[in-house]
Formats: sequence, structure tokens, C-alpha cells
Amino acid sequence: GAGVSQTPSNKVTEKGKYVELRCDPISGHTALYWYRQSLGQGPEFLIYFQGTGAADDSGLPNDRFFAVRPEGSVSTLKIQRTERGDSAVYLCASSDDYAREQFFGPGTRLTVL
Amino acid sequence: KNQVEQSPQSLIILEGKNCTLQCNYTVSPFSNLRWYKQDTGRGPVSLTIMTFSENTKSNGRYTATLDADTKQSSLHITASQLSDSASYICVVRDSNYQLIWGAGTKLIIKP
Repeated sequence: GAGVSQTPSNKVTEKGKYVELRCDPISGHTALYWYRQSLGQGPEFLIYFQGTGAADDSGLPNDRFFAVRPEGSVSTLKIQRTERGDSAVYLCASSDDYAREQFFGPGTRLTVL
Repeated sequence: KNQVEQSPQSLIILEGKNCTLQCNYTVSPFSNLRWYKQDTGRGPVSLTIMTFSENTKSNGRYTATLDADTKQSSLHITASQLSDSASYICVVRDSNYQLIWGAGTKLIIKP
């Protein structure tokens, strides 16, 4: 595709439920990043993949958050036992190498009721 | 602690007017500084990137400046248009390739 795509665009769930957020990066980009953005704030780094491996997961807030990229392309961010504080826009970005310009998707707006 | 501070937090101007957004950072060592534009409901899009040796860079009606001595950057928008309404985020990369994001300035252009 021409850009980074994310699905769903909106997700409403109940406290305690499990959610999966998907990111399709730009074809050929080896680096993939997940961010979380709260209203009026800049993006907060969660995790970075180089290929299939998580090169830096220092931004994941706790063990309820997990991400995979099994084939080095599509990535899924998984959140277990969601809490109201998890409500935010989750952004995905990709780049053709680490430290190169990141291209962002439109985000998934997660609302936990 | 590495930080990026942006001001003002929000700004409202009339269409056709100019404005300047500020970014101060304490990131050291410094690698580069990038300004992003983020439309409502969209991901950020890069406007400009500057390294230590660059003082100014333009992208159409957007001009970014960098003073590495005072650790300040500004984004100047000339002859604003309604489509300039967005959040503008300053991001600094340190020498370890970590990105430090500002909170952004929300700009509203009124007709």
C-alpha cells in the first residue's frame, strides 16, 4: 500500500476485555514502531521492531501490553485486561531503517468503558 | 533529564496572518530536530528536519529555525491557511537515536 494503515480506526471495549490492534507498515520497511497518544500530548513510545524481533520494548507500560510481528511485516498490539486508563490513540509508524524518517498511520482510537 | 517543551500550548489566529511556534529542548547530545504536523484524527507528518549544523530550513510556507547553542527551535508559518489548523509537534533525536517528543502546539486558523 501507499502508506501505513491501521485497523480498526475506532475500538470501544469494556474494562477487563482483551483487544488487538493491527498495523500494516509501508511495504519494505524493516522498522516498525508503536506509540500511544493521549489528548493534547505528543506520542509516547511503546515498542520498536526491527524485522521480526522487538529491538526495544522499554516503553510498554506493563505486562498487559504485548506486540508481535511474526513475519516482519504486519504487527499486532495486544492489550489484556483493559483498563480505563488505556484509552488513547494508538499510533503505528514504519521506516526503512532505524533512525530514518518515520511514516505514521492514522491511528486506532481505543476507548475503554 | 531529556525534555522537549513547546509553546504556546494552543494558538488561534486569523487566516492570512503569520505565526511562530516555539520549541525548547534539553536533549544532549543532540542528533537532529524534526517538526511534525498532525491533523485531527491523523498520524503526524514530517515537515522539516534539521541537524546540528543547520540554522534554517523551509518547506513552502513553513520555515524552521534552530539555535543549537540556546537549544531552541521555532516554526514560522507564513500567510496561514485554514488547512494549517493542526497540532505541530517538535521531536528531538539524541545521539543514541532515541526520540523525545514535545506535547505539541494546537493551532487554529479562523476565517
